Amino acid sequence: EVQLVESGGGLVKPGGSLRLSCAASGFTFSNAWMSWVRQAPGKGLEWVGRIKSKTDGGTTDYAAPVKGRFTISRDDSKNTLYLQMNSLKTEDTAVYYCTTEGWFSAFDIWGQGTMVTVSS
Amino acid sequence: EIVLTQSPGTLSLSPGERATLSCRASQSVSSSYLAWYQQKPGQAPRLLIYGASSRATGIPDRFSGSGSGTDFTLTISRLEPEDFAVYYCQQYGSSAYTFGQGTKLEIK
Repeated sequence: EVQLVESGGGLVKPGGSLRLSCAASGFTFSNAWMSWVRQAPGKGLEWVGRIKSKTDGGTTDYAAPVKGRFTISRDDSKNTLYLQMNSLKTEDTAVYYCTTEGWFSAFDIWGQGTMVTVSS
Repeated sequence: EIVLTQSPGTLSLSPGERATLSCRASQSVSSSYLAWYQQKPGQAPRLLIYGASSRATGIPDRFSGSGSGTDFTLTISRLEPEDFAVYYCQQYGSSAYTFGQGTKLEIK
């Protein structure tokens, strides 16, 4: 079964750090381009960033609101995607989803999400 | 950054009716890199349409996508009770992805 399972969410103070993980199974993770997408409470979807497969260079791109604060990495030996979040702000409060990129850059597999709350 | 504007914000229809959802881009979306998603409360989004008009695996044929350039449409031919949800369009271009703000499809 194709599956993505996020973990690592929780409550953190403004200015703090948190690392999210996304465990993949049921497909060839090393070939996949992976993204993080977030959704603030009661709001729409917002793309956070993407990492390409190592075969395609392994490079990353980020949305403007998180660039310089968030870092996406991957460990293909563990089939795991990471999101390191530093200098967190209250506006980073959201459910964070990991997702795979399929045909025509559509996000075809989604995890169940993990909640991150940034509050003092 | 390409901005996607969805309309209407809320659409009130009855089961069996036809739904037409619009997504307009601030610039042309290259090579039809336009997708549609359905999201129900408490659930992750589900891919419905990719490449502007191709249905994802397992999506019923009452869902169809069309359009090119800056104007795209998601049509649900005959609404089923399980179709009432929020729908998002999404595009990829210049190493960035953006989503529309969503259309809520509610039961009339």
